[in-house]
Amino acid sequence: GQQVMQIPQYQHVQEGEDFTTYCNSSTTLSNIQWYKQRPGGHPVFLIQLVKSGEVKKQKRLTFQFGEAKKNSSLHITATQTTDVGTYFCAGRKASGSRLTFGEGTQLTVNP
Amino acid sequence: NAGVTQTPKFQVLKTGQSMTLQCAQDMNHNSMYWYRQDPGMGLRLIYYSASEGTTDKGEVPNGYNVSRLNKREFSLRLESAAPSQTSVYFCASSYPDRDSNQPQHFGDGTRLSIL
Repeated sequence: GQQVMQIPQYQHVQEGEDFTTYCNSSTTLSNIQWYKQRPGGHPVFLIQLVKSGEVKKQKRLTFQFGEAKKNSSLHITATQTTDVGTYFCAGRKASGSRLTFGEGTQLTVNP
Repeated sequence: NAGVTQTPKFQVLKTGQSMTLQCAQDMNHNSMYWYRQDPGMGLRLIYYSASEGTTDKGEVPNGYNVSRLNKREFSLRLESAAPSQTSVYFCASSYPDRDSNQPQHFGDGTRLSIL
């Protein structure tokens, strides 16, 4: 079946450092979504990427979708303590298919 | 606007007991989902309902049943709880569309412990 793998599982950074999490699929994806879950909270939708090579930015967050639509990344510039949480990618193999979540990357930021 | 509401928020059960987790959404979404979240394993789909009156198995359906009571409500039932079902359970909903590009909206979760 479709697998979506995310690395790293954990990342500890000092406030102000950059952070990147990577998402890789064994199959071509029709689209990929990113979610953030604060400690003790629930996943909250951040963004969706659909097109090959697409890059989207939200303030300090940059999201990329690979040319082959098999991988994606989330990069945070100059992390802040408010960035703490677990970041999940979630991909669909084809239109109408189920969303498959990656294992998530848990980010901690030391002030 | 409450969004997705799950009850209860916490529950402790003994092995073999049964219980139903409740989920309701007020966003007029057609699609609803039940996930479980375990450490290091992300979110795994248990069951989903594309529309009122339909339900389908997800990745990990064994030991669970669901009911789509109406458009708003989607419940998850554990008939005979087992310690392996200790987890955090999330309900989610979304608009369906032909290209399935809609985000999912999650409830606050139910933290379930089975002793």
